[in-house]
Amino acid sequence: DAGVTQSPTHLIKTRGQQVTLRCSPKSGHDTVSWYQQALGQGPQFIFQYYEEEERQRGNFPDRFSGHQFPNYSSELNVNALLLGDSALYLCASSLQGTTEAFFGQGTRLTVV
Amino acid sequence: GDSVTQMEGPVTLSEEAFLTINCTYTATGYPSLFWYVQYPGEGLQLLLKATKADDKGSNKGFEATYRKETTSFHLEKGSVQVSDSAVYFCALSDRKGGGNKLTFGTGTQLKVEL
Repeated sequence: DAGVTQSPTHLIKTRGQQVTLRCSPKSGHDTVSWYQQALGQGPQFIFQYYEEEERQRGNFPDRFSGHQFPNYSSELNVNALLLGDSALYLCASSLQGTTEAFFGQGTRLTVV
Repeated sequence: GDSVTQMEGPVTLSEEAFLTINCTYTATGYPSLFWYVQYPGEGLQLLLKATKADDKGSNKGFEATYRKETTSFHLEKGSVQVSDSAVYFCALSDRKGGGNKLTFGTGTQLKVEL
């Protein structure tokens, strides 16, 4: 049983560019959440998707957007990249109504 | 809003020493509490959880008890190993709206030496 998979594992982008990160949830899970983890910090909640809709959102600007597909996979899009967007982006999947979340290995984004 | 406070690291211990990592939280309602572990270059792995007051979560020799009266969820292990070296995150889930948004502490790095 594959766990949560994220792609790509590493990415380098230039300021002002746009980026798309992808996540496939654990089999049987229907909810996907995205987190940003800056170096030396705890993960910060970006948003959560369920039934192809954004259900909860953290304190992140509109430059951060997402999508969930009918197969429950998800994308995180970040526009107009800033140097401060450099971080590890983590995807977590869960079953709606439960408390346990499983994390992927993350995508390391570097903005230069 | 919800918040989690962890003790600062790094914590350096000798193998077979006793481990305590303190965690306190602020939340409305009755959150679920978690400890996650992150090894270098990897994502987060759930270590243990507790969903209501006085519950004890345990896994791989690690334990933590949900203390509502002190709003704490301290992580303990009786005898650490070098392989336990990692960063440990305390987190809570508010369960609002049926979702499970996690609020994390800043993490505590543990280094275990021979």
